[in-house]
Amino acid sequence: EPEVTQTPSHQVTQMGQEVILRCVPISNHLYFYWYRQILGQKVEFLVSFYNNEISEKSEIFDDQFSVERPDGSNFTLKIRSTKLEDSAMYFCATIRVGGAGEKLFFGSGTQLSVL
Amino acid sequence: AQTVTQSQPEMSVQEAETVTLSCTYDTSESDYYLFWYKQPPSRQMILVIRQEAYKQQNATENRFSVNFQKAAKSFSLKISDSQLGDAAMYFCAYRRITSGTYKYIFGTGTRLKVLA
Repeated sequence: EPEVTQTPSHQVTQMGQEVILRCVPISNHLYFYWYRQILGQKVEFLVSFYNNEISEKSEIFDDQFSVERPDGSNFTLKIRSTKLEDSAMYFCATIRVGGAGEKLFFGSGTQLSVL
Repeated sequence: AQTVTQSQPEMSVQEAETVTLSCTYDTSESDYYLFWYKQPPSRQMILVIRQEAYKQQNATENRFSVNFQKAAKSFSLKISDSQLGDAAMYFCAYRRITSGTYKYIFGTGTRLKVLA
């Protein structure tokens, strides 16, 4: 069973539309992240979330972006009004801290295409 | 601000041979973690190896090992006995230990091709 499950795997939307990307981590994970990767480029940090609030965000994470964990399990990234340059692979990630140290688990990603 | 640099956009290696991927980083911290992640064509991110900066011994995981040079801020990945399944993008990543957010900073990646 994967540590992190992301849905959908692909999302196509029109410019200006709202999208919600979902992530379901295993319940004992504490820290949650969204990263994105524009095709052929590096993985970029967007936001970290801990204890039901944003703990850090990057310059990319502007007012068009929001995150929440409404029911204690799903962790969502919302883009209110998508732009062409939002097209990217979005990865959810969580940290599990245990006896063997920390491990960052990535979901399989959501490929967002903005037309 | 911390940065991670991978100066090799692409590398090739013959099957069964050894290849080394380079990574340098910039930080003023003394304690941190370094990682290598593999991203196959499926684009899933997979942890390959981890190194704690306070450990002098280089980490190893089967055919994967690192050469960690703290003073030079260098963290290279050596893949021995390369296999076709090793073909992927490899990302070097840094995490400051004192960061309460556990934020990882990634390099731009090196695409590894394995030739049969």
